Amino acid sequence: DGGITQSPKYLFRKEGQNVTLSCEQNLNHDAMYWYRQDPGQGLRLIYYSQIVNDFQKGDIAEGYSVSREKKESFPLTVTSAQKNPTAFYLCASSTGIPNQPQHFGDGTRLSIL
Amino acid sequence: DAKTTQPNSMESNEEEPVHLPCNHSTISGTDYIHWYRQLPSQGPEYVIHGLTSNVNNRMASLAIAEDRKSSTLILHRATLRDAAVYYCILIYGGSQGNLIFGKGTKLSVKP
Repeated sequence: DGGITQSPKYLFRKEGQNVTLSCEQNLNHDAMYWYRQDPGQGLRLIYYSQIVNDFQKGDIAEGYSVSREKKESFPLTVTSAQKNPTAFYLCASSTGIPNQPQHFGDGTRLSIL
Repeated sequence: DAKTTQPNSMESNEEEPVHLPCNHSTISGTDYIHWYRQLPSQGPEYVIHGLTSNVNNRMASLAIAEDRKSSTLILHRATLRDAAVYYCILIYGGSQGNLIFGKGTKLSVKP
């Protein structure tokens, strides 16, 4: 079945440590996205990529970095510069054609030890 | 991006229809109306979208007011698995469409 796989499901980080969240899709989608969700809130866009080797900052990119070396992969690194990283992180993909729906993974829950 | 307003929460009985409202009084002519839902501890799931005409798919129906300032997502027979947060989102038709999520409506379904 085609879909988006995020790993791990749960992740714990020590203070001052960088961590990388994985996102892989086999839908042959050009566009990929990373969102952050805090308890009781909607999603906020961190970064997005419309094509391989290109990506743009979203609304809350500070303290995060991404890469898009392959079409199917869009890893997100939460750096030590992100002061409040505890959140639910969601990856999505779409064809990139306007108005086509985004398909989401099941998320990674990041907590600080 | 134009804003949407939804009730914080709604309740429904199982097997009854549910009408989830969304107000978007500042919608522009090229904004599409999208609905997503999010089950607990999962990523959002696309439900339906439309521009002017009412739309139906296997999951739901979307009724759009004639002036497009409001819309209603209709679940014809609610099941316990429909309990989720439902988001109404406007997307400019010419854009790739980065989604801007509000707080949505939390739907509870009683057996």
